[in-house]
Amino acid sequence: DAGVIQSPRHEVTEMGQEVTLRCKPISGHNSLFWYRQTMMRGLELLIYFNNNVPIDDSGMPEDRFSAKMPNASFSTLKIQPSEPRDSAVYFCASSLMGLAVFGPGTRLTVT
Amino acid sequence: AQSVTQPDIHITVSEGASLELRCNYSYGATPYLFWYVQSPGQGLQLLLKYFSGDTLVQGIKGFEAEFKRSQSSFNLRKPSVHWSDAAEYFCAVGLNTGGFKTIFGAGTRLFVKA
Repeated sequence: DAGVIQSPRHEVTEMGQEVTLRCKPISGHNSLFWYRQTMMRGLELLIYFNNNVPIDDSGMPEDRFSAKMPNASFSTLKIQPSEPRDSAVYFCASSLMGLAVFGPGTRLTVT
Repeated sequence: AQSVTQPDIHITVSEGASLELRCNYSYGATPYLFWYVQSPGQGLQLLLKYFSGDTLVQGIKGFEAEFKRSQSSFNLRKPSVHWSDAAEYFCAVGLNTGGFKTIFGAGTRLFVKA
């Protein structure tokens, strides 16, 4: 298995632009998580899905953030419009029975 | 509310010295417990996990952790630290809340001095 795949690995965009981050979880894992990591806030859980259904999105900072999981092998995290304070590393992780495997992350810079 | 506490923001140890990183959790039942390591610029890698059974679990890279139910703790240990162990370490709990949710502590950054 190739592990959790995230794309792009790096994204630089201007304030106000739409950003879409993508994630392919490990086959057979039934939960998927989106985390954000910054120096100030550490590792924050944004949202997680179980069997493609969003279970808890209380960590999503505001309405500019949305996440979808149309099928078991794909998820997106969208920020529209993006702001400089969204700059962070965004990790996707998939898990089975709570054991999370992380992707390499997407480093987002909003100028 | 469920939470994971890592009381030490950073720790410095000498190479060859022993290491213990503390982790406490707050949860009504016994959760699944994990330790992850993150090297600079990298993602998080699983070091070890506890689901049930023997409360002393062995992980990769010579790490071990002990689950103590009475103290709600899951401290990470290594008898002899190597310079390559310098990284950030995250304790996490897996909770069954209608789907497993993993909550992470704030992390402890380990510095290793020669």
